[in-house]
Amino acid sequence: GAGVSQSPSNKVTEKGKDVELRCDPISGHTALYWYRQSLGQGLEFLIYFQGNSAPDKSGLPSDRFSAERTGGSVSTLTIQRTQQEDSAVYLCASSPAAGYGYTFGSGTRLTVV
Amino acid sequence: GENVEQHPSTLSVQEGDSAVIKCTYSDSASNYFPWYKQELGKGPQLIIDIRSNVGEKKDQRIAVTLNKTAKHFSLHITETQPEDSAVYFCAPRGADGLTFGKGTHLIIQP
Repeated sequence: GAGVSQSPSNKVTEKGKDVELRCDPISGHTALYWYRQSLGQGLEFLIYFQGNSAPDKSGLPSDRFSAERTGGSVSTLTIQRTQQEDSAVYLCASSPAAGYGYTFGSGTRLTVV
Repeated sequence: GENVEQHPSTLSVQEGDSAVIKCTYSDSASNYFPWYKQELGKGPQLIIDIRSNVGEKKDQRIAVTLNKTAKHFSLHITETQPEDSAVYFCAPRGADGLTFGKGTHLIIQP
């Protein structure tokens, strides 16, 4: 596609439920990143995929968070047993080479009630 | 890891005036210096970037200047317009990839 697509755009879930957030990167982009942005705050790095290499998971805040990238394309971020502090906008970005020219999606706004 | 500081956190300027946002970084091996603009409800968008072998780059009303010795780079916006109102992030590329600053909220006063 022409840009990075994220779905859903909004998600409201009950505390304790699991959620899955999806990211479709730009075709041909080998690098894919997930960030979290709380209201009025900066971007918090979560996880980074580069080609077929093992992902850099150093930013995941707890073991309730996991992500996978199938076939080097679509990525899914899963949050298990959601907590209210997980409420934020989750942004996905892709780039043709590691660390250059990120293109971001519009994000998924997650609200845990 | 890279330490990035961005100043100011909020900047209010009159329409038509210039705005300057500064970003300092710690990793002397950083070699790529982009600026992103984030409008309300959208993801950040790359607006200008510079590589370490260049001191300045311009694109119409925006420019980025780099001082590698002092480890800082700045975003300059001239003749500001209402549509420039947004949050701006610097994101120098170090050994660990891009590290984003905390953002500058630019407000254009009519």
